Amino acid sequence: KQEVTQIPAALSVPEGENLVLNCSFTDSAIYNLQWFRQDPGKGLTSLLLIQSSQREQTSGRLNASLDKSSGRSTLYIAASQPGDSATYLCAVRVPGGGADGLTFGKGTHLIIQP
Amino acid sequence: NAGVTQTPKFRVLKTGQSMTLLCAQDMNHEYMYWYRQDPGMGLRLIHYSVGEGTTAKGEVPDGYNVSRLKKQNFLLGLESAAPSQTSVYFCASSYRGKDTEAFFGQGTRLTVV
Repeated sequence: KQEVTQIPAALSVPEGENLVLNCSFTDSAIYNLQWFRQDPGKGLTSLLLIQSSQREQTSGRLNASLDKSSGRSTLYIAASQPGDSATYLCAVRVPGGGADGLTFGKGTHLIIQP
Repeated sequence: NAGVTQTPKFRVLKTGQSMTLLCAQDMNHEYMYWYRQDPGMGLRLIHYSVGEGTTAKGEVPDGYNVSRLKKQNFLLGLESAAPSQTSVYFCASSYRGKDTEAFFGQGTRLTVV
């Protein structure tokens, strides 16, 4: 069974710092990996989607990498801002049961201090 | 530019009551999913559908039923609510499985007392 782990569970950094969030998964047989942002009491907003054949994706200050063979992904946030404070979730789409449904990590709760 | 819309956003039920959560998507997606999110547990798949008229069980289906009578709508029903069903429910959709991107609704916060 695919398991997704996110480290750290919580992170607090001063504004302006660059930071890295980590995601690992146990089975490398994935279709893709998706990073989401969740604000308190809100839904999930898709940030980046990396296909299994890709190594990285970029959107603005965000860069996500994927090393499928080692079962790891990182989300790099450059020049962090207080508005980046949220919970970040990674999820992998796996073949098979659940209509290739997503398997989620438990998230990293990020606080950017002004 | 609605995307995935869930109704209602909040609800309080008494134990034993029933209710239906509605999910609507306007992206012509074939696949739709219902997840629940609980503290310390992450998001878990309840039921899913790969097209109009089809439904199937996910990881935690007990106590829930679903229907997909129209392609754009996916309904989640609780026939006899229990306190263990207190959770935040999310609907998601994607064009298909495999390599496609999933889009989520804003969630329904359900409390069963």
